[in-house]
Amino acid sequence: DTEVTQTPKHLVMGMTNKKSLKCEQHMGHRAMYWYKQKAKKPPELMFVYSYEKLSINESVPSRFSPECPNSSLLNLHLHALQPEDSALYLCASSQIPGLKSSYEQYFGPGTRLTVT
Amino acid sequence: QKEVEQNSGPLSVPEGAIASLNCTYSDRVSQSFFWYRQYSGKSPELIMSIYSNGDKEDGRFTAQLNKASQYVSLLIRDSQPSDSATYLCAVTVTGRRALTFGSGTRLQVQP
Repeated sequence: DTEVTQTPKHLVMGMTNKKSLKCEQHMGHRAMYWYKQKAKKPPELMFVYSYEKLSINESVPSRFSPECPNSSLLNLHLHALQPEDSALYLCASSQIPGLKSSYEQYFGPGTRLTVT
Repeated sequence: QKEVEQNSGPLSVPEGAIASLNCTYSDRVSQSFFWYRQYSGKSPELIMSIYSNGDKEDGRFTAQLNKASQYVSLLIRDSQPSDSATYLCAVTVTGRRALTFGSGTRLQVQP
């Protein structure tokens, strides 16, 4: 089973709202990722969690706050977003990457976020 | 120079032909290479991974890796209209335990 699930599929929020994106995987993976993808661009890495600990933060603004409650779940808390934050937010999971190698990352279906 | 480069396309091939997608990378010690397919409005789907020089075949797909020349390619045999999508090349970069993506090549298979 190579399924990663994400909720909600679509989200519209105002700039003063607080919302959360959720991601779940049951593949036994211990690395989980958040990516942001704008139209006609490749995914951009935001955060990486390894063994439920934040290992990479790609200088993401603090209005995005990740959380990894356990090995299967990953959340992204959103607060005071800007219209330019509208994008497809993708969650992915993999085995733990080594120093010079990586393992297959499997993506969820994404959450289409619109900030008004 | 971008770390991972792909021709943005579109690459247009007739149905039944072989589609050849190319990717070059700048980090000489990259170890892991992946091809993802992404349909418009959908998330990337992993279709091939390759870790050592040579060819790797899976059904109609063949990934080719040449570390000396720093390129990786994807061949799609007997192309179908359903193969029309953007194909993303992803590579590991030294010291970074995450993937770096190319900008993607849009493939159009004409019926």
